[in-house]
Amino acid sequence: AQKVTQAQTEISVVEKEDVTLDCVYETRDTTYYLFWYKQPPSGELVFLIRRNSFDEQNEISGRYSWNFQKSTSSFNFTITASQVVDSAVYFCALSEAVGANSKLTFGKGITLSVRP
Amino acid sequence: EAQVTQNPRYLITVTGKKLTVTCSQNMNHEYMSWYRQDPGLGLRQIYYSMNVEVTDKGDVPEGYKVSRKEKRNFPLILESPSPNQTSLYFCASSLAVWDTWNTGELFFGEGSRLTVL
Repeated sequence: AQKVTQAQTEISVVEKEDVTLDCVYETRDTTYYLFWYKQPPSGELVFLIRRNSFDEQNEISGRYSWNFQKSTSSFNFTITASQVVDSAVYFCALSEAVGANSKLTFGKGITLSVRP
Repeated sequence: EAQVTQNPRYLITVTGKKLTVTCSQNMNHEYMSWYRQDPGLGLRQIYYSMNVEVTDKGDVPEGYKVSRKEKRNFPLILESPSPNQTSLYFCASSLAVWDTWNTGELFFGEGSRLTVL
């Protein structure tokens, strides 16, 4: 069965620090999809990224970057020069269904607090 | 505006009193799903639907029912609510199948906070 582990439950940093959120997954499938979602204090869930198992390229989007390593089954998320607005709960998720959301498993989430 | 709408947003009810949380999306998505969010447990899938009249159990379906009679609506039914169903519920939708041109992003409703006394 698929599983997503976010071992860090709460992280607190000072603004402008870099922070990495860890995500480790388990799956028997060779094709799978990994996601990160953000839940700010207002409560809505916001999509950040999808990564396919067959694409191990890392990705950068502004201050956000993602490091996908199949060898360690990890899909870590780094925020560079963190800002107070980055304070949120961050969820990593895994889908084994080929190109579909049918069985999407979320991790328990990491609460990130960025202090001014 | 593309959105997923849930109602009610907040509800306090008593044990055993049947209730329905409605969910509607205006994006013509085939896939819809319900999640519950509890402290320390993250988001857990209750039920999902790949299309009209097609529903399937997620990880925590006990005590819930769903139906998908129309593409846009996916109500969550609690026939006899119990206190352990006190939670924050999210409905979500997406395209059923992805290709190179879409991300598979799940669009979430704003959440429904349910308290069962």
